Amino acid sequence: GAGVSQSPSNKVTEKGKDVELRCDPISGHTALYWYRQSLGQGLEFLIYFQGNSAPDKSGLPSDRFSAERTGGSVSTLTIQRTQQEDSAVYLCASSLGEPREKLFFGSGTQLSVL
Amino acid sequence: GQQLNQSPQSMFIQEGEDVSMNCTSSSIFNTWLWYKQDPGEGPVLLIALYKAGELTSNGRLTAQFGITRKDSFLNISASIPSDVGIYFCAGQLRGAQKLVFGQGTRLTINP
Repeated sequence: GAGVSQSPSNKVTEKGKDVELRCDPISGHTALYWYRQSLGQGLEFLIYFQGNSAPDKSGLPSDRFSAERTGGSVSTLTIQRTQQEDSAVYLCASSLGEPREKLFFGSGTQLSVL
Repeated sequence: GQQLNQSPQSMFIQEGEDVSMNCTSSSIFNTWLWYKQDPGEGPVLLIALYKAGELTSNGRLTAQFGITRKDSFLNISASIPSDVGIYFCAGQLRGAQKLVFGQGTRLTINP
């Protein structure tokens, strides 16, 4: 597609439920990133994919967070047993995967845990 | 983890004024980038810097990669209403793919 697409754009869930957030990167981009942005804060790195593998998952805050990427394209970020502190905007970005390649961001998923 | 210190956190200016913001780090970065984020949107790349000392312009925006590789600044000249938003610096360590982001500078412009 023309840009990075994320769905849903908004998700409201109850504490304790699982959620899945989806990211469709720009066609041909081999690298895919997930970031989290809490209200009024900067972007916090979560995980990076090169192809279908994740060489850097150092930013995942707990074992309730997981992500996968299939076919070198779509990625899903899963949060199990959501907590209120998980409420944030989850941003996905993609790039061509070469050093110094620019990251292009989607519009994010606003997650609200009640 | 790595941290970028971005300042100021917020700015309230009059239309037409010039703006300056900066980022510093205790680590040496290979690449510095500046992004702008509008409400409800993801960050959009404004300027990318790849060499120490590099000074790059994009219209009314000018950014520099500090000579020590530990800092960068962004200037906006003759601000206009559409400059309103949150500006983020981001750095990339040598050999790393991920970007480390600053906390952002929220720019508000009074017409």
